[in-house]
Amino acid sequence: GAGVSQSPSNKVTEKGKDVELRCDPISGHTALYWYRQRLGQGLEFLIYFQGNSAPDKSGLPSDRFSAERTGESVSTLTIQRTQQEDSAVYLCASSPTGRLAGFYEQYFGPGTRLTVT
Amino acid sequence: GESVGLHLPTLSVQEGDNSIINCAYSNSASDYFIWYKQESGKGPQFIIDIRSNMDKRQGQRVTVLLNKTVKHLSLQIAATQPGDSAVYFCAEGYSGGGADGLTFGKGTHLIIQP
Repeated sequence: GAGVSQSPSNKVTEKGKDVELRCDPISGHTALYWYRQRLGQGLEFLIYFQGNSAPDKSGLPSDRFSAERTGESVSTLTIQRTQQEDSAVYLCASSPTGRLAGFYEQYFGPGTRLTVT
Repeated sequence: GESVGLHLPTLSVQEGDNSIINCAYSNSASDYFIWYKQESGKGPQFIIDIRSNMDKRQGQRVTVLLNKTVKHLSLQIAATQPGDSAVYFCAEGYSGGGADGLTFGKGTHLIIQP
């Protein structure tokens, strides 16, 4: 079956431009997570969506970062006025239930590699 | 907040040997642990998980051991193969809620030598 997909796979943008990254979770998965992974580093939690509940935005590094999700479908992560330190791989993951019902494994997409020049 | 750390950033193992990747965690409230494998250019892939009411769980060629007394987690890979070369992340979580998703360690790069 189809896994988590992300687009674009690579994005090069100029400093100061806005970018929008897309995530299509596995159908039926209620929980969706965004992570950031800098080169050679671990995963940094950004935001968590669970069904129609208010998202947990506690990991967003600044107000330039925002994310939306329509119901239990696609999510977009938007970075406004990009800075060079935003360069990283942005990973999306989905899971059947999410942490409030007990953890289940998160299925990751391939990521979007963002380069800010 | 508390975070997960790894003892060794790089581990080199001969093909066919067993490998052990270690992980220390500091949040005593964590009750769920996962190991992920990440190959170059790909997203992390689930390997095996364990809940805090267990101290050992086995999968295909992999075993996860949890020692809650010393807050230590390990991943054992039996009879390593070239395809096992990757970065391995441990992650912890707390099912009782909290601000974060899973907390990941920085990873251990496993290199399988022929």
